[in-house]
Amino acid sequence: EAEVAQSPRYKITEKSQAVAFWCDPISGHATLYWYRQILGQGPELLVQFQDESVVDDSQLPKDRFSAERLKGVDSTLKIQPAELGDSAMYLCASSPIGQINYEQYFGPGTRLTVT
Amino acid sequence: AQKVTQVQTEISVVEKEDVTLDCVYETRDTTYYLFWYKQPPSGELVFLIRRNSFDEQNEISGRYSWNFQKSTSSFNFTITASQVVDSAVYFCALSDYGGATNKLIFGTGTLLAVQP
Repeated sequence: EAEVAQSPRYKITEKSQAVAFWCDPISGHATLYWYRQILGQGPELLVQFQDESVVDDSQLPKDRFSAERLKGVDSTLKIQPAELGDSAMYLCASSPIGQINYEQYFGPGTRLTVT
Repeated sequence: AQKVTQVQTEISVVEKEDVTLDCVYETRDTTYYLFWYKQPPSGELVFLIRRNSFDEQNEISGRYSWNFQKSTSSFNFTITASQVVDSAVYFCALSDYGGATNKLIFGTGTLLAVQP
């Protein structure tokens, strides 16, 4: 069964350092999402891509976060510089194009700890 | 604004008991979708069900059942004869219909612990 791949699974970094996460969606899924999940809370959308275009990045802290999906396939989320409050689980999800409100398939996530 | 409320933060049951997880939502949209996801300790979110606002029929899938009531803006989830493997955090989520995005608005989740 096809899955969303994410790496690394765990990342520990020091405050003010740069960190990057990678996501490979299910093959053929045109829509890709990055969510942030703070411990004890539900996931919150950071950015949504349709192919290589950003559809929604209204909750992305653009002063330190950036996301790209250059060829419309895999995606990278970067934080620079990392802050203590960025410690969270970063989840990537994908869904097929053309299916309004189709279910989103989630990857295993990257757990980030900023020290 | 859209909002999902899961008032039960933690529930503990003994195996084989039935358990209901509550979900209340707020939206101004007349058309929307509701979801339930399961998050086991491994961390990934597992899709369980999607319902649209036009379809208020209850649904049953094995030991799982869902009760959607538009009149009370609730979408509750019942596990019958719970098992230890059901132990996880369960999230209810809401999405609008036909907008530019399919952003999911999640509740804060309910941690279900099933004791043997």
